[in-house]
Amino acid sequence: EVQLVESGGGLVKPGGSLRLSCAASGFTFSSYSMNWVRQAPGKGLEWVSSISSSSSYIYYADSVKGRFTISRDNAKNSLYLQMNSLRAEDTAVYYCARTPVEDGSSFDYWGQGTLVTVSS
Amino acid sequence: SYELTQPSSVSVSPGQTARITCSGDVLAKKYARWFQQKPGQAPVLVIYKDSERPSGIPERFSGSSSGTTVTLTISGAQVEDEADYYCYSAADNNLRVFGGGTKLTVL
Repeated sequence: EVQLVESGGGLVKPGGSLRLSCAASGFTFSSYSMNWVRQAPGKGLEWVSSISSSSSYIYYADSVKGRFTISRDNAKNSLYLQMNSLRAEDTAVYYCARTPVEDGSSFDYWGQGTLVTVSS
Repeated sequence: SYELTQPSSVSVSPGQTARITCSGDVLAKKYARWFQQKPGQAPVLVIYKDSERPSGIPERFSGSSSGTTVTLTISGAQVEDEADYYCYSAADNNLRVFGGGTKLTVL
């Protein structure tokens, strides 16, 4: 069974940093591209970042470019999101999601999310 | 930038057909996907590549595309289908956008 479990969320002050992790199991992690998608409280979904299976290709939404860094460790079956210079508008539930082989731009499995709150 | 536009809400009675539209210029050239999200839960993929249904998704869910508009159809909507639905497309690798979401009420 595919499982994605996020961790690392919490309360951080504006300008601060946080590192999110996503532990994957139930599939060959190293064969799949992975993503972060976020959802502000009461709002819609927003794609944040994507990384290819071997980390060769990395993409960011304009809203986080230069502040967030996506990475992965295939030996540990883990995905990460380093978030720096955090702003109030980064407050959201952050989901880890897998890209399916049959559709290279989609998300077929999602974790339950971890809440990041940026507030003084 | 580009946008995907959805109605904010759709309401049907149980057993009726629910149709949720998503419009955007990018949809004329790129695939759409649809996600279902129930309160407090993670999104679930219900349609990919405009009209393909993942395994485990009921047959009453279908997708179609015409020009710059895609439609999610739920034939014989059930109470458990009540949820927020989001369309999504990727203009390119750095430009991936969700629609604003549609709240489906089945009552």
